Amino acid sequence: ETGVTQTPRHLVMGMTNKKSLKCEQHLGHNAMYWYKQSAKKPLELMFVYSLEERVENNSVPSRFSPECPNSSHLFLHLHTLQPEDSALYLCASSQSRLGTYEQYFGPGTRLTVT
Amino acid sequence: GNSVTQMEGPVTLSEEAFLTINCTYTATGYPSLFWYVQYPGEGLQLLLKATKADDKGSNKGFEATYRKETTSFHLEKGSVQVSDSAVYFCALSPAAESGGSYIPTFGRGTSLIVHP
Repeated sequence: ETGVTQTPRHLVMGMTNKKSLKCEQHLGHNAMYWYKQSAKKPLELMFVYSLEERVENNSVPSRFSPECPNSSHLFLHLHTLQPEDSALYLCASSQSRLGTYEQYFGPGTRLTVT
Repeated sequence: GNSVTQMEGPVTLSEEAFLTINCTYTATGYPSLFWYVQYPGEGLQLLLKATKADDKGSNKGFEATYRKETTSFHLEKGSVQVSDSAVYFCALSPAAESGGSYIPTFGRGTSLIVHP
């Protein structure tokens, strides 16, 4: 595997379920990000991890809980979601969160909350 | 705070037409500027970037020049193809010397549709 991978690619869950999204980067990067992409809305940055430490939490509801066990893996734990949380969730990584580095994105997880 | 403004879409063109997608930004100092492209069913991927004033980024026939005086980074291509149909995002990454948060900022995206 190369680049940034995300699993699952599609997820349908009820409002009372608990699920997790997984992201893995094979690029040796030090920063990882979660974004939410909804139709007709700008890309929303949710969380930023740098060297496994959470450095940004963009006023995200507590029903979203990130975890970064090492610099290659990032999880987004989901519980008691709302229908408006249905969206494409994108993971990204970059060499550093500082400076001129571009981000590398995974293909996303399409989440539907029923 | 920082912001990126790009033209509303969709932009609809015939194959071989000239493309311009406008992007302007607000930021302190000299941010790095990027264009990303998102094809249907995929994540964003870097198309090109520029890290200082007057730099020109280029890739796959696309070009954009970092214009500090007009705070712009317009995307151009001389002859578009059907395979260029996608959503294009302009983005900035704050300058290291700007202080504060280093959160990247994205525009809302511009959909490009190219007809044969």
